[in-house]
Amino acid sequence: GAVVSQHPSWVICKSGTSVKIECRSLDFQATTMFWYRQFPKQSLMLMATSNEGSKATYEQGVEKDKFLINHASLTLSTLTVTSAHPEDSSFYICSASVNSGLHSEQYFGPGTRLTVT
Amino acid sequence: QKEVEQDPGPLSVPEGAIVSLNCTYSNSAFQYFMWYRQYSRKGPELLMYTYSSGNKEDGRFTAQVDKSSKYISLFIRDSQPSDSATYLCAMSQNSGYSTLTFGKGTMLLVSP
Repeated sequence: GAVVSQHPSWVICKSGTSVKIECRSLDFQATTMFWYRQFPKQSLMLMATSNEGSKATYEQGVEKDKFLINHASLTLSTLTVTSAHPEDSSFYICSASVNSGLHSEQYFGPGTRLTVT
Repeated sequence: QKEVEQDPGPLSVPEGAIVSLNCTYSNSAFQYFMWYRQYSRKGPELLMYTYSSGNKEDGRFTAQVDKSSKYISLFIRDSQPSDSATYLCAMSQNSGYSTLTFGKGTMLLVSP
């Protein structure tokens, strides 16, 4: 159980275009979903937190107009990188939070590798 | 000082060795501690989840938390080549709103 999928797994786009990444919880309903970015040999950096039906909460330094997050249902969240630039090339990972008794656990998707040319 | 410090490695061991992975942290408010395993170009996989100080064992894996020293460890017994991956520690202050703070990860290489 607790499987999270992401689509696409790998995408190449031209500078100035927009890219949408989907994150789905396949066998559970996620109260909260998180979006992370990971550069090579670096740790995961939280970009934003989203709850179904409400606006995402962005971490300091993350441009909300550039990284659009939509959390339309308890099983789907999307991240759109608008007007992508080469510096946006990174590994984007989502996670979904599951309440397990007294605590919540995060389960991660397989990640999406974005390359902007 | 970063909130969570973790030696990036790589840590190379022969098959069958006992592996010790560690993280230190500075925020005494952290109460929940996790270890994730991440294979190359994949998302992290939750291995162990512990609350407060103490030990937790799951198969070949043992997680230890020493809150007084702000030090956590993951031990892997009888290491296998399939254990070769990057191991990330993560921690949070509370359970309901699980904002995690990650270490940079330690790359482990287990040779046959």
